[in-house]
Amino acid sequence: EDQVTQSPEALRLQEGESSSLNCSYTVSGLRGLFWYRQDPGKGPEFLFTLYSAGEEKEKERLKATLTKKESFLHITAPKPEDSATYLCAAIYSGSARQLTFGSGTQLTVLP
Amino acid sequence: EAGVAQSPRYKIIEKRQSVAFWCNPISGHATLYWYQQILGQGPKLLIQFQNNGVVDDSQLPKDRFSAERLKGVDSTLKIQPAKLEDSAVYLCASSYNRGRGTQYFGPGTRLLVL
Repeated sequence: EDQVTQSPEALRLQEGESSSLNCSYTVSGLRGLFWYRQDPGKGPEFLFTLYSAGEEKEKERLKATLTKKESFLHITAPKPEDSATYLCAAIYSGSARQLTFGSGTQLTVLP
Repeated sequence: EAGVAQSPRYKIIEKRQSVAFWCNPISGHATLYWYQQILGQGPKLLIQFQNNGVVDDSQLPKDRFSAERLKGVDSTLKIQPAKLEDSAVYLCASSYNRGRGTQYFGPGTRLLVL
């Protein structure tokens, strides 16, 4: 069964304390790995798409990487405004090429 | 560029009542998706449209849920009759095309069934 699993479920960091979020996937024929940010009461906001192992993308304090089995979202020197739920999702060579989401990591950055 | 619009933003209904949600995708986006997001979980796809045709509705509870996309633009999702377990956020997303196309989400409609 195609699955996307995120860890940890929740993470509390002090401002400036760098860390990484993990997204492991067991899908056959990965066509793309997506990272979204979701603030309370809002829809997911697109961050990155990764298509092949070894690929990296960066945006401000965020850096996403992809291997053959997992993706990491590295957060460097986070600020309180980085607090949100981070979702990863995979598109695979299955029916309809739909997004399969993980349950998310709820990140809290304390001042 | 305007984003995906959804209405209403909040809805409270009694079980067995009916409810409808509306979505207007980003202009020019051919593909439209409806997702259900239960608290603490990631979004789950309910139905996917390509223009005004259904591509995938395998996870749509068809005994109570229906959706349409007239003229390949706006879409409505209906629940009739609603159950307690339908309480969730209903998200609409659109993409320029299928496959690798990035999906952009609307703000969602928060449904509470009492």
